[in-house]
Amino acid sequence: NFMLTQPHSVSESPGKTVTISCTRSSGSIASNFVQWYQQRPGSSPTTVIYEDSQRPSGVPDRFSGSIDTSSNSASLSISGLKTDDEADYYCQSSDGTTVAFGGGTKLNVL
Amino acid sequence: QVQLQESGPGLVQPSGTLSLTCAVSGASYSGSELWSWVRQAPGKGLEWIGQIYHGGRADYSPSLWSRVTISLDKSKNQFSLRLKFVTAADTAVYYCARRNRGFCGGGSCIPNAFDIWGQGTMVTVSS
Repeated sequence: NFMLTQPHSVSESPGKTVTISCTRSSGSIASNFVQWYQQRPGSSPTTVIYEDSQRPSGVPDRFSGSIDTSSNSASLSISGLKTDDEADYYCQSSDGTTVAFGGGTKLNVL
Repeated sequence: QVQLQESGPGLVQPSGTLSLTCAVSGASYSGSELWSWVRQAPGKGLEWIGQIYHGGRADYSPSLWSRVTISLDKSKNQFSLRLKFVTAADTAVYYCARRNRGFCGGGSCIPNAFDIWGQGTMVTVSS
């Protein structure tokens, strides 16, 4: 089994850039793709990044993803922050047969 | 387009069995889909419960495997979740979702991601 650890919350001002980390506890972060989901209160999650760094159609290029094997972590960066970006963000990966989500990060855009 | 809709009782007695069904519309069973269940306790994060493949094989969360069964009925275009011996800790919003393998077999999809979600259904475990 493996776990994904995210910061509980991050805060940043509109127009700035924020980065949310996701650290894998065991196994290489590069061994299985990482996805990122945005969830607004009362709504189902939606995909903002898939396969480490790919953006689905309709997701603005302000959203970007990457992995870092040296820290065994993935990152979601959002540039040009808008108040509408305020939401919970979850990373997700697998080990082939099981799936794990990170604990979620609440993004506050102040 | 593909849509998912959960249904089932909103209240389950402690030590009873939680049973939910997810109706699938607009989808084809191409073999690239992993029909999944995810839950979210009040104020908490997403928790993966399990998934079932086109051919019927299922994978379950290590923390829930002894209590959970996921089944697929392609003739009725639905898949189901059964969770036995529930406690208050199982109180959550339960989502059904489509997760994809590394390819899109039919129609558009987001590979390797949960790309289609139901609206979620709240299940409370209480007497």
